[in-house]
Amino acid sequence: SQQGEEDPQALSIQEGENATMNCSYKTSINNLQWYRQNSGRGLVHLILIRSNEREKHSGRLRVTLDTSKKSSSLLITASRAADTASYFCAIPPSSGGSNYKLTFGKGTLLTVNP
Amino acid sequence: DAGVIQSPRHEVTEMGQEVTLRCKPISGHNSLFWYRQTMMRGLELLIYFNNNVPIDDSGMPEDRFSAKMPNASFSTLKIQPSEPRDSAVYFCASSLMGSAYNEQFFGPGTRLTVL
Repeated sequence: SQQGEEDPQALSIQEGENATMNCSYKTSINNLQWYRQNSGRGLVHLILIRSNEREKHSGRLRVTLDTSKKSSSLLITASRAADTASYFCAIPPSSGGSNYKLTFGKGTLLTVNP
Repeated sequence: DAGVIQSPRHEVTEMGQEVTLRCKPISGHNSLFWYRQTMMRGLELLIYFNNNVPIDDSGMPEDRFSAKMPNASFSTLKIQPSEPRDSAVYFCASSLMGSAYNEQFFGPGTRLTVL
């Protein structure tokens, strides 16, 4: 299984600004998922983008996927202090029977200052 | 919907002691995952159950770790004997498997400290 690699490792912005995080991977994928983890809590699924999709929106979240560059980005618009969390991309294997086996990156720690 | 429930939330124990972590998945979900999270290694999948049967335990670090799922609503992860390097946050997650697009729902985690 492959691991997505998030970039940057940490990001600090002011409330109201936009935050962009990136995820790069190495081999072909069926889909890519983004999760959020607030401090001391479990991960929460944010959005899933399929390999045949280029962009997807959910509220203030916008996810893009460029399979030619093997990368995805997560954009949070008009950030709030409550968006402070770690954000992970997760990738299932593209083939074989182990599609349950999500591999998580190390995450991007986003801090939104009020 | 109560979500995935884990207990205890915090556990402090001494080296050599047995530790049992518990998980109640979301009702109706047929898959359950145990993960371990540390600063050094990030989030690691330890074991995966489907319909109460262990499918993949390749992530279990060693024989000191064991996991069971006696029924669809309960799972345990046991460490015996525990060691300081087992200190981590252990997460249980559940999912409804049916396609390649499976969202996992995580519990709040158990923070384990082995002294």
